[in-house]
Amino acid sequence: GDSVTQTEGLVTLTEGLPVMLNCTYQTIYSNPFLFWYVQHLNESPRLLLKSFTDNKRTEHQGFHATLHKSSSSFHLQKSSAQLSDSALYYCANMGYKLTFGTGTSLLVDP
Amino acid sequence: GALVYQYPRRTICKSGTSMRMECQAVGFQATSVAWYRQSPQKTFELIALSTVNSAIKYEQNFTQEKFPISHPNLSFSSMTVLNAYLEDRGLYLCGASAETLYFGSGTRLTVL
Repeated sequence: GDSVTQTEGLVTLTEGLPVMLNCTYQTIYSNPFLFWYVQHLNESPRLLLKSFTDNKRTEHQGFHATLHKSSSSFHLQKSSAQLSDSALYYCANMGYKLTFGTGTSLLVDP
Repeated sequence: GALVYQYPRRTICKSGTSMRMECQAVGFQATSVAWYRQSPQKTFELIALSTVNSAIKYEQNFTQEKFPISHPNLSFSSMTVLNAYLEDRGLYLCGASAETLYFGSGTRLTVL
C-alpha cells in the first residue's frame, strides 16, 4: 500500500536559517498527489501546499516544495525560518485515502 | 473558500457512554469525508472513509459497530463513538474533500 516517510522527528533551528523538511513516498498510483499540512499547538491540521505536477515548484506563505517523481520526494523548504513557523508538519499522499507521514516537529529558536 | 466546521470542540464523557461529533462542509461539496484520530504521539489513524453513494470503508481495527458514521449529503457527516473507554481518548478529526482534504477543528474526547 501507499506510505509516506518523514525521516526527521524533530528539527530545531535558529530564526533566519533555511528550513528543509524531508518527505518521500511510495505509491501504487502513477500520478501521486502530495500535500503538506501544518498543525500549530492546539489546532487542527491546515493545508500548506499541494502538488501533483512533476518538477513544478509550488509555493505558499513563504514555503515551497517540488514534487519529484524520479526520486519520489516532496521536500518542504523555506529560505528563512520565523518563530511562528514552529509547528508540526505532515507530508501526505492521496491514493484512495490520504496517507500521512509521522510528522516533523519544527522548533525555531530566537 | 473551503471551510469545515466540526463540533463539539471538546467533550467529556463517562466510560461506557457514547458521544457524537458532527462535521459540516461550507463552500464546497464534500464528496468524501474521512474521519481520523490523532494519537497522543501525534500520528494519524484513519478510522473510515465515506464517499457519497458508496459504502463506508472502515480501516483495520475500526468497526461500524464502534464508530457508526452517517454521510447523508454533500455537506454533512457525523460519527458516534459508542461505549467510549479510555483507549478512545484523543483528537478526532473530520476531513472533507472534493479533491483536497480540509480538516475541521477537531473534537477532543476525554473519557472519565
